[in-house]
Amino acid sequence: DADVTQTPRNRITKTGKRIMLECSQTKGHDRMYWYRQDPGLGLRLIYYSFDVKDINKGEISDGYSVSRQAQAKFSLSLESAIPNQTALYFCATSDADGPGDTQYFGPGTRLTVL
Amino acid sequence: GENVEQHPSTLSVQEGDSAVIKCTYSDSASNYFPWYKQELGKRPQLIIDIRSNVGEKKDQRIAVTLNKTAKHFSLHITETQPEDSAVYFCAASRGDDKIIFGKGTRLHILP
Repeated sequence: DADVTQTPRNRITKTGKRIMLECSQTKGHDRMYWYRQDPGLGLRLIYYSFDVKDINKGEISDGYSVSRQAQAKFSLSLESAIPNQTALYFCATSDADGPGDTQYFGPGTRLTVL
Repeated sequence: GENVEQHPSTLSVQEGDSAVIKCTYSDSASNYFPWYKQELGKRPQLIIDIRSNVGEKKDQRIAVTLNKTAKHFSLHITETQPEDSAVYFCAASRGDDKIIFGKGTRLHILP
């Protein structure tokens, strides 16, 4: 879905480095999410935001922080990256006023921490 | 909070046969149940959804059934084709809180 973009698409970094993953959307949705995907573990929620002033922890928020700079932008930061944060990261949006909480995913960011 | 269990984790079916993936949920207030398909190297995408006021919904070869009393819902794929090979995720939501995903089912379509 071209309406949800993520940068960078791939990133290799070293242990201890600070990393920021960015997500932008042009869908006009209020809700934004960050998920992590590891093989066999499905989609695990890191943080979510239901509007610009609302930030909530998901099931695996330790070691991560987020910033909702505007309705359209939601950034995920790894303050001090560690190897077990190597994973595929997805941003998603949904429409609070829609008929259901359908998630629209970005293309993903593949992060490798050496 | 809501918990979604999905079975099986892996499923292999012969091309042309049917595939069924089952999910259970714990929060009786959940009212929206989507299914996502994730092809290799791609993002998850919605393929079908059902709301709690409906018992079944069909879209060509795929259908979803919902049993609110038992708190379970299922995805049915008929006449499976090679392009159906993917990971499928179920999810549950009540609208005022985050959506909860199952852990996924890897579907293999055998030639």
